Amino acid sequence: NAGVTQTPKFQVLKTGQSMTLQCAQDMNHEYMSWYRQDPGMGLRLIHYSVGAGITDQGEVPNGYNVSRSTTEDFPLRLLSAAPSQTSVYFCASRRGGTNYGYTFGSGTRLTVV
Amino acid sequence: EDQVTQSPEALRLQEGESSSLNCSYTVSGLRGLFWYRQDPGKGPEFLFTLYSAGEEKEKERLKATLTKKESFLHITAPKPEDSATYLCAVQYNIQGGSEKLVFGKGTKLTVNP
Repeated sequence: NAGVTQTPKFQVLKTGQSMTLQCAQDMNHEYMSWYRQDPGMGLRLIHYSVGAGITDQGEVPNGYNVSRSTTEDFPLRLLSAAPSQTSVYFCASRRGGTNYGYTFGSGTRLTVV
Repeated sequence: EDQVTQSPEALRLQEGESSSLNCSYTVSGLRGLFWYRQDPGKGPEFLFTLYSAGEEKEKERLKATLTKKESFLHITAPKPEDSATYLCAVQYNIQGGSEKLVFGKGTKLTVNP
């Protein structure tokens, strides 16, 4: 099982550029989420999805868009990159029902200059 | 005000020296409390889910417990390979959805041989 796959692993963007962080899971999980992790801040939820076609905002959604056209994929779009978006981004997924934790990807380290 | 507080921020132990990590939370309507382990440069790895006060779960040298206001992660006779950052997260009832996890900032554990 590949689990949760994130690409790219590293990315450098210039201020104002846009890009898409890719996330794919092969476990047929209903729920998927995007987090960012910054030193001293912990993991913060950006957007999440409870199924194909259904998304909602998390704690820090500004500057990011998501869509969920299939169960497997949950891309995160940065509309106009800013230095404040320099962070490590994690995608996670879990199956429906209780007693299941999220499986996280290995992360994308993004630097905006 | 932080809703999830982990202490201590960092902990150094000698191999075999047992100790506990603390996670306190202030949310109401707890749906679940999660413990994760995160190694440097990797995504968090799911360890436990706890749902109700008094519940306990064990995995190898780790034991997680839950009260109405806090959770403890007990580490018995730790080994150097237990060195990692341990993250606590709570899922609770909020307006607009239930799939929002709030993470603490973590406890960085170092076990010296």
